[in-house]
Amino acid sequence: DIQMTQSPSSLSASVGDRVTITCRASQSIRNNLNWYQQKPGKAPKVLIHAASSLQSGVPSRFSGSGSGTDFNISISNLQPEDFATYYCQQSYSTPRWTFGQGTKVDIK
Amino acid sequence: QVTLRESGPALVKPTQTLTLTCTFSGFSLSTSGMCVNWIRQPPGKALEWLARIDWDDDKYYSTSLESRLTISKDTSKNQVVLTMTNMDPVDTATYYCARIGSGSYRFDYWGQGTLVTVSS
Repeated sequence: DIQMTQSPSSLSASVGDRVTITCRASQSIRNNLNWYQQKPGKAPKVLIHAASSLQSGVPSRFSGSGSGTDFNISISNLQPEDFATYYCQQSYSTPRWTFGQGTKVDIK
Repeated sequence: QVTLRESGPALVKPTQTLTLTCTFSGFSLSTSGMCVNWIRQPPGKALEWLARIDWDDDKYYSTSLESRLTISKDTSKNQVVLTMTNMDPVDTATYYCARIGSGSYRFDYWGQGTLVTVSS
């Protein structure tokens, strides 16, 4: 199975900050990378698909980049509702899609 | 609109078999390209994909859990059922069902999840 490694595991930030989370795949996955946001007690919600395409309804302060093995999600002008855990997920190795271990963004 | 909802026991004993049902609406699992998946998340831990069933009844399982899992669908009832045998306390988790839409390489809709605790 393709292994997905996120960094950092957690970070503290303030409202208005710009934060970036990195995801690395154990082999090339081209651009088959999705990002999800999960809040406590809730199901994950897809934010970005195909590495850089914003899911409908997701604010434009979220952006994604990367291809091959290295990917990023950035959140500009961090808002109170953005404090959550973020997961990357590869959709290259169908059907056995795998997730990263998550990055928790909390308030500094 | 698309909705999915998981149902099943909140508590199972070790060695028992778990049966979970995903009841969905807003789409048909007989539509070409549609898939329903099961994904779990132990408390405080990451997401783990378990199984998938496709519109054409193709079935796929996690390599590490394949021997314990069975997925099936009842298209007329809009339901997908997952069974997991020989439950262990390490299987304690929130279990989600999630859809992959036709041509969509992502889990685009999720149920709210159901917490299953394995304890004697």
